[in-house]
Amino acid sequence: EAQVTQNPRYLITVTGKKLTVTCSQNMNHEYMSWYRQDPGLGLRQIYYSMNVEVTDKGDVPEGYKVSRKEKRNFPLILESPSPNQTSLYFCASSLSRGWYYGYTFGSGTRLTVV
Amino acid sequence: QQPVQSPQAVILREGEDAVINCSSSKALYSVHWYRQKHGEAPVFLMILLKGGEQMRHEKISASFNEKKQQSSLYLTASQLSYSGTYFCGTGEGAQKLVFGQGTRLTINP
Repeated sequence: EAQVTQNPRYLITVTGKKLTVTCSQNMNHEYMSWYRQDPGLGLRQIYYSMNVEVTDKGDVPEGYKVSRKEKRNFPLILESPSPNQTSLYFCASSLSRGWYYGYTFGSGTRLTVV
Repeated sequence: QQPVQSPQAVILREGEDAVINCSSSKALYSVHWYRQKHGEAPVFLMILLKGGEQMRHEKISASFNEKKQQSSLYLTASQLSYSGTYFCGTGEGAQKLVFGQGTRLTINP
């Protein structure tokens, strides 16, 4: 089954403790992206990647890091999480480019930072 | 800057029609539409490309006015399964898709 897999689904952590949210897709998609979703604000892009070793900032990149060492994986790293990063996070992928093909989203990761 | 969706919420009876609008201040290459049910991930409905045709997904269709930088989603003879939050995403170049704040659609029997 074609899908984007995120882990974990739920995570509660403490301020300052480094964490990684994993994202993997099995569709050989070139383009991958991370979004955060907050009530009333919709989906806001954190980082995106056009292909392996090519990443760029989205609209809200502060406090986050990403890497794209393999085509299928695009982990999101919070090196020192803060409470304002409490949110619902989605990983998404598309065949290529950023706006030409539809996105497939992962199931989401609900992160709480206390 | 995020595109603006209107209305923010709409309540319908089953079988009624609805229109959701998406407006941007920037020149657009494409407009995407997604539906998200509570507690789930957004699901792709359709994409409208610059210079492309009006698209359709079941009884849902959409149009894209490139000159006005606007798109509209039309839900005809709504079904209970259409309930959810609808998001437009605008392709503004720079390989990014920027989403609106969403429109919550509630369909009552």
